[in-house]
Amino acid sequence: DIQMTQSPSSLSASVGDRVTITCRASQGISNYLAWYQQKPGKVPILLIYGASTLQSGVPSRFSGSGSGTDFTLTIGSLQPEDVAVYYCQKYNTAPRTFGQGTKVEIK
Amino acid sequence: EVQLVESGGGLVQPGGSLRLSCAASGFTFSSYTMTWVRHAPGKGLEYVSSINDRGSSTTYADSVKGRFTISRDNSKNMVYLQMNSLTADDTAVYYCAKTPPLAPFDYWGQGTLVTVSS
Repeated sequence: DIQMTQSPSSLSASVGDRVTITCRASQGISNYLAWYQQKPGKVPILLIYGASTLQSGVPSRFSGSGSGTDFTLTIGSLQPEDVAVYYCQKYNTAPRTFGQGTKVEIK
Repeated sequence: EVQLVESGGGLVQPGGSLRLSCAASGFTFSSYTMTWVRHAPGKGLEYVSSINDRGSSTTYADSVKGRFTISRDNSKNMVYLQMNSLTADDTAVYYCAKTPPLAPFDYWGQGTLVTVSS
């Protein structure tokens, strides 16, 4: 099975900072990569699919890039409401494995 | 409106069994793969199992293989997760998710909590 590795596992940044989270697949997955945001006690929300396509309604400060094995989620200007855990997920084949998550906090 | 409603969670002793159900509505259930995902306290999201539209193909995470069984009843718009030989590591909120082909999950249920403890 393809493994998904995210880094860092957590980060702390100031409001307005640019934040970057990376996700690496153990084998190529083309652009079948999604990013989700999960806040405590809530259902995950889809932010990005197709590695770089912003889901409708998601603020434009979120962006994604990459293809093959290496992917990036960027928050262009961190806001207090962005405090959450972020997950990447491959969805080209089953099992649709998640990365281990990145916890984003405000400094 | 698409709705996914999980049920069947609760407190169970180690070694025990539980069957989760997910009732689907608002879409052509028999046309979609369905997936169970779990979120253990203090841990990340974990893919558990999926079943294709006809129920003829299933996939499991290594952590549950041989203990969990996914099934579906397209006549009732239901997907199930039979969980046996439960351990504390299975304690989590379990979500069912509508799984379009070559696309991310587009709908999630609200989850049902499973607690494995003596």
